[in-house]
Amino acid sequence: EIVLTQSPGTLSLSPGERATLSCRASQSVSSSYLAWYQQKPGQAPRLLIYGASSRATGIPDRFSGSGSGTDFTLTISRLEPEDFAVYYCQQYNSSPIFTFGPGTKVDIK
Amino acid sequence: EVQLVQSGAEVKKPGESLKISCKGSGYSFTIYWIGWVRQMPGKGLEWMGIIFPVDSDIRYSPSFQGQVTISADKSISTAYLQWSSLKASDTAMYYCARYSSTPKEAFDIWGQGTMVTVSS
Repeated sequence: EIVLTQSPGTLSLSPGERATLSCRASQSVSSSYLAWYQQKPGQAPRLLIYGASSRATGIPDRFSGSGSGTDFTLTISRLEPEDFAVYYCQQYNSSPIFTFGPGTKVDIK
Repeated sequence: EVQLVQSGAEVKKPGESLKISCKGSGYSFTIYWIGWVRQMPGKGLEWMGIIFPVDSDIRYSPSFQGQVTISADKSISTAYLQWSSLKASDTAMYYCARYSSTPKEAFDIWGQGTMVTVSS
């Protein structure tokens, strides 16, 4: 089973700052099968990024994804007040088996 | 509008059975996998299993195999998650989510969640 590790656990930033979130896999993951989700308190998760770098429908271009192999990054170029949330990476491999990372909380400094 | 609508919150006692539902609308329900995801209070997301409604092909996470049963009724565009004997540790929010294959390969539509509380 592929294990995903996210860092940092919590990121304290101010609106307007840049956020860089990391997702590391215990084995190589196909970029096609790496996604990022945003979850706000009391809400269901929302798909942000699929295929490691493609934005989902309606996602602002301040969100970007990159990476390959075992190291992936979600970047929020300039934090807006509505971006303070928890972010999860998720991978799929054959079987099918899906795993989520433990999440990174982005909170207001 | 493409959406998944889940059944309402449940409060149950340990040992009781439960079946919660997830109804899809606005798209062809049978050609997308539907997954179930658990979120325990204050914790992260855990994938439980996934079903392909057209033929009820089901895959379970090893962590949940034997603990829950996933099913679907394609005639009414609904997927289900059920327990035969609930435990207090089953207390959690449960989400269904549509898995979109090529090109997305991700859970692109989520239900609103069903809160299950198991307490004596």
